[in-house]
Amino acid sequence: QSALTQPASVSGSPGQSITMSCTGTSSDVGSYNLVSWYQQYPGKAPKLMIYEGSKRPPGISDRFSGSSSGNTASLTISGLQAEDEADYYCCSYAGTRTFVVFGGGTKLTVL
Amino acid sequence: EVQLVESGGGLVQPGRSLRLSCTASGFTFRDYRMNWFRQAPGKGLEWLGFIRSKTYGGTKEYGASVKGRFTISRDDSESIASLQMKNLKTEDTAVYYCSRDGVDYDTAFDMWGQGTMVTVSS
Repeated sequence: QSALTQPASVSGSPGQSITMSCTGTSSDVGSYNLVSWYQQYPGKAPKLMIYEGSKRPPGISDRFSGSSSGNTASLTISGLQAEDEADYYCCSYAGTRTFVVFGGGTKLTVL
Repeated sequence: EVQLVESGGGLVQPGRSLRLSCTASGFTFRDYRMNWFRQAPGKGLEWLGFIRSKTYGGTKEYGASVKGRFTISRDDSESIASLQMKNLKTEDTAVYYCSRDGVDYDTAFDMWGQGTMVTVSS
């Protein structure tokens, strides 16, 4: 069982926007602005999409945005494209005993 | 080219040991905190631990599931991070990845290797 809770799946049609959630606790998401999001295609390594809750690394499309409120972080993908179909994982710093926790991942299907 | 390359995976019997390597190139390895992760077949990502840069003492931290069995080390002269795994169990079967953080990003991992598969089976 993962420390952060993500929906198993979300779906949307091309051009639409979707938002997926990542629920933690006051020991991780709720206490630190250090949530990151990763995109992973089958058989490939994860790719950093969002860091520090809402920042995009160089080269990441502005269709991807992150936010956080309380113990829940969210990833929004706007203008959905077929290539966005992948698994998405959230990750958070969790203090000096646990350090790093992940969500179980959300499979995004582009209809 | 900036990259990480994991190696050393394979088939190993339960109870045996295995050492994985992560060879870095294209960046100043010694400045980064190096992390290890794994992903069991069909499952999510799990953080295993990290080793800090020498600037921060080179100390190590581990996830609860591997603490005491896995050991992370680094050789800055060779730009290699290693993961020594002992007393392997069938549930350690996974793809193992290394990644970096601590310079441009804090607890965000911007570069990953391709992974190396470890299968623990008799």
